[in-house]
Amino acid sequence: AQRVTQPEKLLSVFKGAPVELKCNYSYSGSPELFWYVQYSRQRLQLLLRHISRESIKGFTADLNKGETSFHLKKPFAQEEDSAMYYCAPLLLSGGSYIPTFGRGTSLIVHP
Amino acid sequence: GAVVSQHPSWVICKSGTSVKIECRSLDFQATTMFWYRQFPKQSLMLMATSNEGSKATYEQGVEKDKFLINHASLTLSTLTVTSAHPEDSSFYICSAHSVWNSTDTQYFGPGTRLTVL
Repeated sequence: AQRVTQPEKLLSVFKGAPVELKCNYSYSGSPELFWYVQYSRQRLQLLLRHISRESIKGFTADLNKGETSFHLKKPFAQEEDSAMYYCAPLLLSGGSYIPTFGRGTSLIVHP
Repeated sequence: GAVVSQHPSWVICKSGTSVKIECRSLDFQATTMFWYRQFPKQSLMLMATSNEGSKATYEQGVEKDKFLINHASLTLSTLTVTSAHPEDSSFYICSAHSVWNSTDTQYFGPGTRLTVL
């Protein structure tokens, strides 16, 4: 079955520390991959997508097809990065590409 | 940027009543909208895919007679929770699919908190 796995439910780091939020997917094709972020009491918003190879708020994510991973990284975490992060590839289902969300990782950045 | 709104943002209702939640794309047309459900401290769960002018496609385990979806126009999809019960209390989020410059993007609404007493 096609699925996406975010192994860490909670990730707690101190300000200035590097952070890596893991995401693995199982899919035989080449999915389009996204990371979404949900700050406290705010709507879900797109953080970045792999196809654009961009860096948003210092975050980057590299698609590793060999490991079927799309880990989200930031070299120096900030307190304002504390949020829920969702990895969401578009997976083919019934002829359509459907966003499939991981369970999310709660990132807490301590001062 | 593209904006998706949901109305109401919070609704409290008695058990047995029906509740309608609206999802609107404010400055773009969305042929496809998605409805999600989010339980506290859990991930989003896709409930159904709503396509304008056609029947919604429901995910396995989601009762289509319980969660009625109507996508009557390119900017509006509605989710009606029929005969709501306390176990239907949840956070419902919609998203609208947009293709701009050959790029697929999802825009999410702020969500609707449903509390069934």
